[in-house]
Amino acid sequence: DSGVTQTPKHLITATGQRVTLRCSPRSGDLSVYWYQQSLDQGLQFLIQYYNGEERAKGNILERFSAQQFPDLHSELNLSSLELGDSALYFCASSVDRATDTQYFGPGTRLTVL
Amino acid sequence: TQLLEQSPQFLSIQEGENLTVYCNSSSVFSSLQWYRQEPGEGPVLLVTVVTGGEVKKLKRLTFQFGDARKDSSLHITAAQPGDTGLYLCAGVHSGAGSYQLTFGKGTKLSVIP
Repeated sequence: DSGVTQTPKHLITATGQRVTLRCSPRSGDLSVYWYQQSLDQGLQFLIQYYNGEERAKGNILERFSAQQFPDLHSELNLSSLELGDSALYFCASSVDRATDTQYFGPGTRLTVL
Repeated sequence: TQLLEQSPQFLSIQEGENLTVYCNSSSVFSSLQWYRQEPGEGPVLLVTVVTGGEVKKLKRLTFQFGDARKDSSLHITAAQPGDTGLYLCAGVHSGAGSYQLTFGKGTKLSVIP
């Protein structure tokens, strides 16, 4: 158990819909990262937040957005969903904004039908 | 563009055999990490290598970072069924208050008892 929690574990929805994925970092960790893992693209970095502020952006689509709240939990919002958005979405956390150890949550499996 | 190439993509071996997996890049990273991911779980960090030519050992696992800090290898001696999983390498880009990982697509290892 990494100490990072993600909800829900599974999510099935239809094209065009909007969903919100939630992540609670390890106690004391200020940085949160979001990743997408698909069979064809592998594990891809989406976005990083540190203490409520966006710090780095990766391959995140404009239809996707994220935020980190004052209690440090984070949400990833996916809108206008397409079939190709079906993937595993992982959240990871670390103590600060530039450290070498990220702890990954168990992921949310999103299926878009 | 896939910056990190891992090979082989799949590997199935008998218990007790040795194996090596490779991670190659055209880019130089500040450091490189190896993760193992089991089904239904997030990746777990095994090791970080920082210095060109560095060799690190973790029980039966030996990690090597190339002199030019562009490639790495993971060697497993006397593989056990418990070594089964997806092995991912990740290049680290850090600086200016951000920290990003670029992952390879992974090597899926099956160790048959």
